[in-house]
Amino acid sequence: LAKTTQPISMDSYEGQEVNITCSHNNIATNDYITWYQQFPSQGPRFIIQGYKTKVTNEVASLFIPADRKSSTLSLPRVSLSDTAVYYCLVGLDNYGQNFVFGPGTRLSVLP
Amino acid sequence: KAGVTQTPRYLIKTRGQQVTLSCSPISGHRSVSWYQQTPGQGLQFLFEYFSETQRNKGNFPGRFSGRQFSNSRSEMNVSTLELGDSALYLCASSSGGAGNTIYFGEGSWLTVV
Repeated sequence: LAKTTQPISMDSYEGQEVNITCSHNNIATNDYITWYQQFPSQGPRFIIQGYKTKVTNEVASLFIPADRKSSTLSLPRVSLSDTAVYYCLVGLDNYGQNFVFGPGTRLSVLP
Repeated sequence: KAGVTQTPRYLIKTRGQQVTLSCSPISGHRSVSWYQQTPGQGLQFLFEYFSETQRNKGNFPGRFSGRQFSNSRSEMNVSTLELGDSALYLCASSSGGAGNTIYFGEGSWLTVV
């Protein structure tokens, strides 16, 4: 299973774009990259998933370079409600679910 | 489509007791996995079930067990509770194939006193 490395914490201001990068040097050919958002006392919420290049949905974009050894979650124009912990997840094994979560990135959005 | 439902949301147990937590996956999902989250250890994988069979297991003692029923609903049980078992227990479901997304429930808060 690919181990991931993310910054422990980040600060931003309302209205700014936030980019959180995750390193996953041992990513396997079949691995997908998934990002989750978690608020205190709640379960992680799916944000976005990708395999290569760029994926965009209504809340975020995910950029994956050609070597797939890293990925960047981009949150456009963050608001105070985006303050949360963000987890990068890599490594569905052949049996489906055996995620190893890293410590995540604690994003603090300031007014 | 209803999300992953976990019951109960909050419970308090005494050391030495046992507890059973329940999880109803998203309709059509056959894979259910369980996680323990504590401030000190973060999110840790407990085990995963697919079509009533345990496919993967994390590094937890035998006091932690689970099962899955034919309707994909799952339960996890913790016996002989210890103070350190106090945590948020999260259930997640997916269709179970490669590349699919797992979706989490809101969790069950267990406090052991």
